Amino acid sequence: DSGVTQTPKHLITATGQRVTLRCSPRSGDLSVYWYQQSLDQGLQFLIQYYNGEERAKGNILERFSAQQFPDLHSELNLSSLELGDSALYFCASSPPTSGHSSYNEQFFGPGTRLTVL
Amino acid sequence: DAKTTQPTSMDCAEGRAANLPCNHSTISGNEYVYWYRQIHSQGPQYIIHGLKNNETNEMASLIITEDRKSSTLILPHATLRDTAVYYCIARDDKIIFGKGTRLHILP
Repeated sequence: DSGVTQTPKHLITATGQRVTLRCSPRSGDLSVYWYQQSLDQGLQFLIQYYNGEERAKGNILERFSAQQFPDLHSELNLSSLELGDSALYFCASSPPTSGHSSYNEQFFGPGTRLTVL
Repeated sequence: DAKTTQPTSMDCAEGRAANLPCNHSTISGNEYVYWYRQIHSQGPQYIIHGLKNNETNEMASLIITEDRKSSTLILPHATLRDTAVYYCIARDDKIIFGKGTRLHILP
């Protein structure tokens, strides 16, 4: 158990719909990352938040958005869903950086499996 | 960011050491080498990271060549539970996962 929680575990919806995935980071972690993993694409970095602010953006579609709230939990919103959005969505968190490295190891949640029919 | 190259798959006998290679010939001086693994459909799990020196923790050892162009992750006594996809990442900031190496532990 990494300490990162994600809800729901499974989500089945239809094309054109909108869903919200939720992530609670480990206690004390300020950074939250979102990843998408589909069968043919591997793990794709979507976006990172640090203490409520967007820190880095990856291959995130315009139909997707995310935010991090004052209590540090994060939500990933997926709209106008398409069949190709079916995937595992992982959230990860990491503690505040320390020392000379700008990066700390990430702790991943169990993921949300999204199925778009 | 440094691109990494890993073999697509490897086999290792249970109880033996598993040595997973990674090439990162374009790595820059401030980029760390990180290893993660992903057991079927679970969230990736951090294993180890290093900059120049070899590193060891309770899970594995990381050997980085002196020129830092390649590294090897060593699982000293592989078990069936080590069957997973292992990702080598060389980045200064956010993680970019490649295809990884699918490690099969053979009983």
